[in-house]
Amino acid sequence: ETGVTQTPRHLVMGMTNKKSLKCEQHLGHNAMYWYKQSAKKPLELMFVYNFKEQTENNSVPSRFSPECPNSSHLFLHLHTLQPEDSALYLCASSKGRFTEAFFGQGTRLTVV
Amino acid sequence: GQQLNQSPQSMFIQEGEDVSMNCTSSSIFNTWLWYKQDPGEGPVLLIALYKAGELTSNGRLTAQFGITRKDSFLNISASIPSDVGIYFCAGQDRSGYALNFGKGTSLLVTP
Repeated sequence: ETGVTQTPRHLVMGMTNKKSLKCEQHLGHNAMYWYKQSAKKPLELMFVYNFKEQTENNSVPSRFSPECPNSSHLFLHLHTLQPEDSALYLCASSKGRFTEAFFGQGTRLTVV
Repeated sequence: GQQLNQSPQSMFIQEGEDVSMNCTSSSIFNTWLWYKQDPGEGPVLLIALYKAGELTSNGRLTAQFGITRKDSFLNISASIPSDVGIYFCAGQDRSGYALNFGKGTSLLVTP
């Protein structure tokens, strides 16, 4: 059982499409994160939200737009992506600062 | 993010053997975490370390937070086939939120 659920698990989109990734956590956590995992590269932090407020944006291009309507839900809106944006996008949550993060199963994104 | 050096990059061992992997950083971290990732899945937390010098076990897994706060190791004793996967170390910086990950250690275990 995972406390962090991501949908969809797989997504194929064209470069002109607009799509959204969804993440929901059932752990009562206050912080949520988006990470990107590309082949042969370490996991990279994209965004951090704490109590719905964005606390970190790791120089992510504007074609990735996060949204956090409440502490349990996190979205990543995608538009005009490039093929090099193809990767596994992982959502995570934690209670707050200096606590362990728990990950969802990820969305495998392919941009064609 | 800060660069973590994780080694070895891969290991190919026989069932029953012990395994050791480590991570080093040029920067100090306040927290060290170890995760395991299976193909097509998200990372699963194995062990979290919060104090320099801390040694923590989780079943056959043992991890330590280095005294300098710049390194950590993970040991797996008596490996079994289901230990196969990629193991990642992660250091949490002073923001208390961001995790900086190593490139992973790929473990293969033969029966």
